[in-house]
Amino acid sequence: DAGVIQSPRHEVTEMGQEVTLRCKPISGHNSLFWYRQTMMRGLELLIYFNNNVPIDDSGMPEDRFSAKMPNASFSTLKIQPSEPRDSAVYFCASSLSGTIGEKLFFGSGTQLSVL
Amino acid sequence: SQKIEQNSEALNIQEGKTATLTCNYTNYSPAYLQWYRQDPGRGPVFLLLIRENEKEKRKERLKVTFDTTLKQSLFHITASQPADSATYLCALVPGGYNKLIFGAGTRLAVHP
Repeated sequence: DAGVIQSPRHEVTEMGQEVTLRCKPISGHNSLFWYRQTMMRGLELLIYFNNNVPIDDSGMPEDRFSAKMPNASFSTLKIQPSEPRDSAVYFCASSLSGTIGEKLFFGSGTQLSVL
Repeated sequence: SQKIEQNSEALNIQEGKTATLTCNYTNYSPAYLQWYRQDPGRGPVFLLLIRENEKEKRKERLKVTFDTTLKQSLFHITASQPADSATYLCALVPGGYNKLIFGAGTRLAVHP
């Protein structure tokens, strides 16, 4: 089992540029989560999909952030335009069915630096 | 406001001792509470889940307790080893969908 795969591992960009983060969940998993981790705020849930449908995007900080899940094996998180305060580690996680209390499997994260 | 609090200071202990980490929460009534381990540069890894009607859960050298009256969970590692050094995160499901909310984590350092 390859686990949750995220790309790129590191992204350095300049303020104002568009950034796209990618995630491949574990095959057969029906729920996908995007989290952001910073020293100040810890792990914050940005958005949650179940069966490719966004269920809760209340954690998305502003309209500059958007997420899609066009099929069961791929999701993107896009930031346009990016700002220095978006610098963080972005994690994607998946779970089998989305049942309450189910454990999450995390990817290794994308370290984003916006200069 | 809703909060999940874990000791922000690192916990330093000697190899072989029991490490005890605390997770307190306010203004939540979670049905489930989970603990994860995170190593530097990696994503969190699931360790244990405990339900609101369970007082205690064990897995090898790990033990978790859940006191819904005190609104607290304790995470114990017995016979700790240097390889247990990591950040430990508690997470709860406030209700509704499987929307896990995480504490900030406590860094554990086990010294030989």
